[in-house]
Amino acid sequence: KQEVTQIPAALSVPEGENLVLNCSFTDSAIYNLQWFRQDPGKGLTSLLLIQSSQREQTSGRLNASLDKSSGRSTLYIAASQPGDSATYLCAVRRSQGNLIFGKGTKLSVKP
Amino acid sequence: GAGVSQSPSNKVTEKGKDVELRCDPISGHTALYWYRQSLGQGLEFLIYFQGNSAPDKSGLPSDRFSAERTGGSVSTLTIQRTQQEDSAVYLCASSLGFRTRAAYEQYFGPGTRLTVT
Repeated sequence: KQEVTQIPAALSVPEGENLVLNCSFTDSAIYNLQWFRQDPGKGLTSLLLIQSSQREQTSGRLNASLDKSSGRSTLYIAASQPGDSATYLCAVRRSQGNLIFGKGTKLSVKP
Repeated sequence: GAGVSQSPSNKVTEKGKDVELRCDPISGHTALYWYRQSLGQGLEFLIYFQGNSAPDKSGLPSDRFSAERTGGSVSTLTIQRTQQEDSAVYLCASSLGFRTRAAYEQYFGPGTRLTVT
């Protein structure tokens, strides 16, 4: 059974700092991995999607890496801003189609 | 273009009543998914539809939960005889499809917050 774990559960950093969020999964047979952010009381916003054949994806200040063989992904946020404060969710896509989510990392960026 | 929409945004119901939650996927998306996010819990998969294929109901927690997708577009999630443990945010997502190895990104709606009193 696929399990997705995110560490740390919560993180507080000062503005401007670079940071790394971690995601691990137990079954390497995934189709893709998706990083989302969720703001309080809101739905999910997709940030980056990495196909199983890819090693990383970049969008602006965000960089996500994928090491399928070791069951790990990282989300790197450069020059963090208070607007980055949110919960970040990692999800892997099963062959059957649905996503399996971690419980998220709650990020707080202090001005 | 328009994203995934869900209605109502909030629903308060009494224990034992039935509720219906609606999802309008992105136009042209053939795959539709329902997930649930309970307080303090992660997001859990409930059910998904792909085109005219039989839906994958493997995530439904009990037979009180059912879903339909009419005309390959709008979907309704029905919860019968609601219980307090059904209180959660119900999220709908859609994507272009899934029966290939291509990466089909899932786009989520804002969710329906269900409170069972």
